[in-house]
Amino acid sequence: GENVEQHPSTLSVQEGDSAVIKCTYSDSASNYFPWYKQELGKRPQLIIDIRSNVGEKKDQRIAVTLNKTAKHFSLHITETQPEDSAVYFCAASSPRTAAGNKLTFGGGTRVLVKP
Amino acid sequence: SQTIHQWPATLVQPVGSPLSLECTVEGTSNPNLYWYRQAAGRGLQLLFYSVGIGQISSEVPQNLSASRPQDRQFILSSKKLLLSDSGFYLCAWSVVGSGRAIDEQFFGPGTRLTVL
Repeated sequence: GENVEQHPSTLSVQEGDSAVIKCTYSDSASNYFPWYKQELGKRPQLIIDIRSNVGEKKDQRIAVTLNKTAKHFSLHITETQPEDSAVYFCAASSPRTAAGNKLTFGGGTRVLVKP
Repeated sequence: SQTIHQWPATLVQPVGSPLSLECTVEGTSNPNLYWYRQAAGRGLQLLFYSVGIGQISSEVPQNLSASRPQDRQFILSSKKLLLSDSGFYLCAWSVVGSGRAIDEQFFGPGTRLTVL
């Protein structure tokens, strides 16, 4: 089955700096890669996703890049703000029929933005 | 718009007691439904998923079971809880359309279970 590795496990940045989180996956058939943000005690929230037919996607201060050949994808947060402090999870999904799509999650990265 | 509910929000149970957690989705029909567990400070582990009423797939062998008695209701159960069952249980849903599952999954608010 799919295996997703996420690094680093913790990341401390100064407010205004950029943060980068990297994930690798094992199943070359995976074609959907979402990123979730989870604040303390809350549910994970989908913040951005990318499909295998594109190499980069951007939404305001966050962007995701995908390298299918190397089987890795990354989350980039620019101009970090204290409210960006949270745990971020990457995930990968292999193509499915109506039998259901299953996400395999990375272990998470705890991001702390210092004012 | 679609909403997803979970209850209870928190639960403290003794070892060996039964468990029933409920998840319901509003505003959509025939969703795919998922149960995840998150241990303290850890990632999300898929426990069960369901593509329709009475259809349950288990991802890992464990002390838990799931049922889907109605289209938009998903229940997680145990006959006898273990200490290791403690965690944050999250229900999620995704839309099914055109004969395939749509990828995006959306999580419910979760149930925090403590087994003592």
